[in-house]
Amino acid sequence: QQQVKQSPQSLIVQKGGISIINCAYENTAFDYFPWYQQFPGKGPALLIAIRPDVSEKKEGRFTISFNKSAKQFSLHIMDSQPGDSATYFCAASDNNDMRFGAGTRLTVKP
Amino acid sequence: NAGVTQTPKFRVLKTGQSMTLLCAQDMNHEYMYWYRQDPGMGLRLIHYSVGEGTTAKGEVPDGYNVSRLKKQNFLLGLESAAPSQTSVYFCASSFGRNNQPQHFGDGTRLSIL
Repeated sequence: QQQVKQSPQSLIVQKGGISIINCAYENTAFDYFPWYQQFPGKGPALLIAIRPDVSEKKEGRFTISFNKSAKQFSLHIMDSQPGDSATYFCAASDNNDMRFGAGTRLTVKP
Repeated sequence: NAGVTQTPKFRVLKTGQSMTLLCAQDMNHEYMYWYRQDPGMGLRLIHYSVGEGTTAKGEVPDGYNVSRLKKQNFLLGLESAAPSQTSVYFCASSFGRNNQPQHFGDGTRLSIL
């Protein structure tokens, strides 16, 4: 049973556009929602994270939107750049468990 | 400051062979994890450790064993490799359990023939 569902599997965006990746979770005990960025041949690296006491968190061009009632959260990348081309993973965790989404491969075309 | 270092980076094994993957971290983290990454499956937790001398099962532990004899090292063993264990393996570490960011190594690409 996949506890964190991520979509889309792949995404192609033009330079300067907005990239949006969505995730949905099932376990209402989850209280920490990080996004990881992974470049080919490298391990995932934490990009941005949110806790459910806020509905939005912004760091530079990256924003997480969180909807607790719908059990959904999303990553928005504003002014997408070719250097943002990578695989993005959402995750959801509590003190006992962390589950990752299946990943979204983002390609930003120049 | 190297962070999390995994060795080897690549390995090819024959079915039935055994091997050990080594993970070392220099951040004095208590928690360490082993994941496998397969296409379309994301990252799945194999085993984890909450401190030196401790280990616990994750989501997909079958066919793997781990040891944490020193705080900085976390070893993943395959006693009798199977083709289904072909994957990319990632080690990670963190200060706390799941509500803390995890720091990942660059992975070990393992092929079982």
